[in-house]
Amino acid sequence: AQKVTQAQTEISVVEKEDVTLDCVYETRDTTYYLFWYKQPPSGELVFLIRRNSFDEQNEISGRYSWNFQKSTSSFNFTITASQVVDSAVYFCALSEASRTSGTYKYIFGTGTRLKVLA
Amino acid sequence: DAGITQSPRHKVTETGTPVTLRCHQTENHRYMYWYRQDPGHGLRLIHYSYGVKDTDKGEVSDGYSVSRSKTEDFLLTLESATSSQTSVYFCATSNSNQPQHFGDGTRLSIL
Repeated sequence: AQKVTQAQTEISVVEKEDVTLDCVYETRDTTYYLFWYKQPPSGELVFLIRRNSFDEQNEISGRYSWNFQKSTSSFNFTITASQVVDSAVYFCALSEASRTSGTYKYIFGTGTRLKVLA
Repeated sequence: DAGITQSPRHKVTETGTPVTLRCHQTENHRYMYWYRQDPGHGLRLIHYSYGVKDTDKGEVSDGYSVSRSKTEDFLLTLESATSSQTSVYFCATSNSNQPQHFGDGTRLSIL
């Protein structure tokens, strides 16, 4: 069965520190997709990145970077030089197609609350 | 932005009453989803739809029903609300395995 684990419930860092949010997933399929979303204090959910299971290249977008490792079933998210505006809950998610219906469902982790202190 | 509107945004009701939440999209996405968000549980899938009149259950579907009579609208109904259904409800849309776009959420309190 699909499962996404975000073991870090809450992390606090001081501004300008680097921080890594962990995501470990379980899936039986070889084709799947991984996502990260951000939920700031205002409550909306904002898409950050999508990665398919065949693309293990790390990605960097400004201060954000993602490390996808199939060997350890992990898709970790690093924020470099954190800022107060990075304070939010971050969710990792996994999607795969149902073998019977071909439809797509998404499984979310329980989220990591990041607090960046000034 | 996917143009997703949830209504109402806030609702307070009493145990045993029926409640219907509406999700409306303007992006013609095939898939629509209902989640609930509770502390310590993240986002949990209630039901989803993969086409008009095509729906399936998620991991926490008990006590909820859905309907999708047209592409744009996906309704979530609590036939007889219970206090355990107090939560924040999010609607999302997508095409296949593309990123989901979320509505702003509905805060539902059942007293």
